[in-house]
Amino acid sequence: KNQVEQSPQSLIILEGKNCTLQCNYTVSPFSNLRWYKQDTGRGPVSLTIMTFSENTKSNGRYTATLDADTKQSSLHITASQLSDSASYICVVSADRGSTLGRLYFGRGTQLTVWP
Amino acid sequence: KAGVTQTPRYLIKTRGQQVTLSCSPISGHRSVSWYQQTPGQGLQFLFEYFSETQRNKGNFPGRFSGRQFSNSRSEMNVSTLELGDSALYLCASSSLTSGRRDTQYFGPGTRLTVL
Repeated sequence: KNQVEQSPQSLIILEGKNCTLQCNYTVSPFSNLRWYKQDTGRGPVSLTIMTFSENTKSNGRYTATLDADTKQSSLHITASQLSDSASYICVVSADRGSTLGRLYFGRGTQLTVWP
Repeated sequence: KAGVTQTPRYLIKTRGQQVTLSCSPISGHRSVSWYQQTPGQGLQFLFEYFSETQRNKGNFPGRFSGRQFSNSRSEMNVSTLELGDSALYLCASSSLTSGRRDTQYFGPGTRLTVL
């Protein structure tokens, strides 16, 4: 069964600290993995997209890693800011021969950054 | 460049009614996808349209349907509404110039409440 599991479900950290969010998937055949940030009441915003051959991708203070062998990904946030408080969603695309592939979503990690 | 727009932003309906939601993608984007987001299930893929053709469909009953027009605008229809259809419905567009690695840009969503 194609699934995407994220951990932890929620996380509270102090401003300025680093944190790492985890994503494990069983989606096959794998096409790509995306991390999104979703602020409350808004649509998700893309942070990174990684294919099978990429194992690290950075976007400012956000760094995503991918281990296609173990089917694990992580999103590392450095020097957290209050504006990082949001839900972070891991999305895995299965190669289904269509335009975007079939997308499988994790439930998200709710990150809260305290001052 | 204007972002993805969705109308209406909020909608209240009663059980048994039907509803039509609208999505205007970013200018030049030909791929439009629809998602349902609920607290219990998270984000779930509904369907994807590209050049007026449905290319991919999630596991939703036939009460959920959609279409895409020649100008890439898309509509989603839900007939015979049920209480469980209460959710945030998100639309996303992408240009697909790089195939499945293209970034998806999400709209703000339509909050549907079924009473």
